[in-house]
Amino acid sequence: GAVVSQHPSWVICKSGTSVKIECRSLDFQATTMFWYRQFPKQSLMLMATSNEGSKATYEQGVEKDKFLINHASLTLSTLTVTSAHPEDSSFYICSAPPTGTRQETQYFGPGTRLLVL
Amino acid sequence: KQEVTQIPAALSVPEGENLVLNCSFTDSAIYNLQWFRQDPGKGLTSLLLIQSSQREQTSGRLNASLDKSSGRSTLYIAASQPGDSATYLCAVSNPSGTYKYIFGTGTRLKVLA
Repeated sequence: GAVVSQHPSWVICKSGTSVKIECRSLDFQATTMFWYRQFPKQSLMLMATSNEGSKATYEQGVEKDKFLINHASLTLSTLTVTSAHPEDSSFYICSAPPTGTRQETQYFGPGTRLLVL
Repeated sequence: KQEVTQIPAALSVPEGENLVLNCSFTDSAIYNLQWFRQDPGKGLTSLLLIQSSQREQTSGRLNASLDKSSGRSTLYIAASQPGDSATYLCAVSNPSGTYKYIFGTGTRLKVLA
């Protein structure tokens, strides 16, 4: 089946630094990818939709200047948490539907756990 | 605004029991509903997807039903096993933007050997 990878799987950083998380579709192309955030013991919340070759669209309440998204190719989307603070500590998961399929067929990455000290 | 709730929040059962997980959503205008499994610290695995026009889907020991008009779905797990221990999430997508999933609060299941 289709595989989505994320890198890194774990990251610890100091408050004020920026962290980049990569989401890759390994064996299919994805013009759209989605970024979710999950706080402890809570469910997943959609943060933004990453669109290859155009700007990302953000959900209400998500700061676009803080969470920078770049979808540089058909297999890679990156999420950069700028000036990270402890409240940004969370589990970040991406998902991607293969191009040409109905978008409900999505494959999820294994997630990246971010801890900001 | 669509809200998805799952009951119970946590469940602990002995091995071999049949069990039912519940999911309810406030807006019946959905495109489809999916059940996912999430292991601790891991990503999601899709278990079953039910289109809005369908009433149920089955895969092995899992059966999911959908009653769109009442805003409810159930996930039935037959003959539970310790390996079934995980968090189960349901999610609905809306008709206008089929990619946008609204996730439920999850049910943490523990099956005791």
